[in-house]
Amino acid sequence: DVKVTQSSRYLVKRTGEKVFLECVQDMDHENMFWYRQDPGLGLRLIYFSYDVKMKEKGDIPEGYSVSREKKERFSLILESASTNQTSMYLCASRGADRGRETQYFGPGTRLLVL
Amino acid sequence: DAKTTQPPSMDCAEGRAANLPCNHSTISGNEYVYWYRQIHSQGPQYIIHGLKNNETNEMASLIITEDRKSSTLILPHATLRDTAVYYCIVRVESSYDKVIFGPGTSLSVIP
Repeated sequence: DVKVTQSSRYLVKRTGEKVFLECVQDMDHENMFWYRQDPGLGLRLIYFSYDVKMKEKGDIPEGYSVSREKKERFSLILESASTNQTSMYLCASRGADRGRETQYFGPGTRLLVL
Repeated sequence: DAKTTQPPSMDCAEGRAANLPCNHSTISGNEYVYWYRQIHSQGPQYIIHGLKNNETNEMASLIITEDRKSSTLILPHATLRDTAVYYCIVRVESSYDKVIFGPGTSLSVIP
């Protein structure tokens, strides 16, 4: 089975702190994604990466950066956390599992910024 | 990606089959029907997808009508742990574009 893991399920941070969210997939997938999910707004794409050291902005990249130094790991960085970044953060990995290709999601990190 | 419409909520008795419908009348020839679900406070979970033939895996069955304008996800023996929001989306299989979920169907499995 495809496994996408995220470093934390719950995080509480203060405004202005630097926050690192880590995502690891174990299926050698090339494409990885970071989304945030908010009530009434659905999933919104922050950044994605289609290869090591490659990154592309999604729909809402402001206030975020990413790092992809190794194929299996895709990190989301909040340089200076703000209260409007309180959200559920979801990492996804795209690839084939048993011949079928789709995006697989991690368990999510619920971030609260005070 | 083509749009889909789903009922906002459904109930199902535990142990019975849950049949979740989805309409996708504007689906294109190269778009697949995907189903995900999201249990409260967890990440979305991939369930199944198909193009035109019916599909079955260890989680569910997917029935796609001959004209491909609608489909039904079947959970053959629903359990309480199947209570979740179920999302039907249509997209090209090879697309690495973002996934967009609609409101989905909130399924409640009742003891």
